[in-house]
Amino acid sequence: QSQLQESGPGVVKPSETLSLTCTVSGGSITSDAYYWGWVRQPPGKGLEWIGGVYFSGNTYYSPSLRSRLNISVDTSKNQFSLNLTSVTAADTAVYYCARHNRFKGTAIDSWGQGSLVTVSS
Amino acid sequence: EIVLTQSPGTLSLSPGERATLSCRASQTVSSSHLVWYQQKVGQSPRLLIYGAANRATGIPDRFSGSGSGTDFTLTISRLEPEDFAVYYCQQYSNSPWTFGQGTKVEIK
Repeated sequence: QSQLQESGPGVVKPSETLSLTCTVSGGSITSDAYYWGWVRQPPGKGLEWIGGVYFSGNTYYSPSLRSRLNISVDTSKNQFSLNLTSVTAADTAVYYCARHNRFKGTAIDSWGQGSLVTVSS
Repeated sequence: EIVLTQSPGTLSLSPGERATLSCRASQTVSSSHLVWYQQKVGQSPRLLIYGAANRATGIPDRFSGSGSGTDFTLTISRLEPEDFAVYYCQQYSNSPWTFGQGTKVEIK
């Protein structure tokens, strides 16, 4: 069973870029069974799907974030990354990296522990 | 964009009671791509049900999912103390892959 771990700064200044990396252990990111994605959760609120990437590099993004979002994969490091530009306080959230299982209807069957990112000057 | 509306917002029940949670979609969702997650306070979500009715690995059989089209249901037959949590549905039928707003199951 793959394990996922987010890493990145806990505080980002307004208008700057939020960058997070997810390291996958216990399995290969190049498995064709999985997509790799990001979900966020503002404090006290519900879950929001951000987007994701296939190991080939194909990406799929939430339309509401598309203009500010880049998700990429580094197969040599078994990692995938999130970059969200021009952040505001509304981007403050716990960011989860996630494994989508193509054989379970694309459901997320493995989650990272979550990384709280606060947008503040 | 498919909007998922979960009801009720909060369900107050006692251990041993039956919980019925609803997830209604603004347009037809493929049953193969409707899932349910459980999230406890301070924890990451956990997959409960995929394909509308298939229990994920390790999920007790008191959890069951049903439904098709625009109406889906998660049922917990007899609530155990560890089942008090927030439950989310999500659809992967159409991008963006939207979540419902969640139903909190709390101890009465």
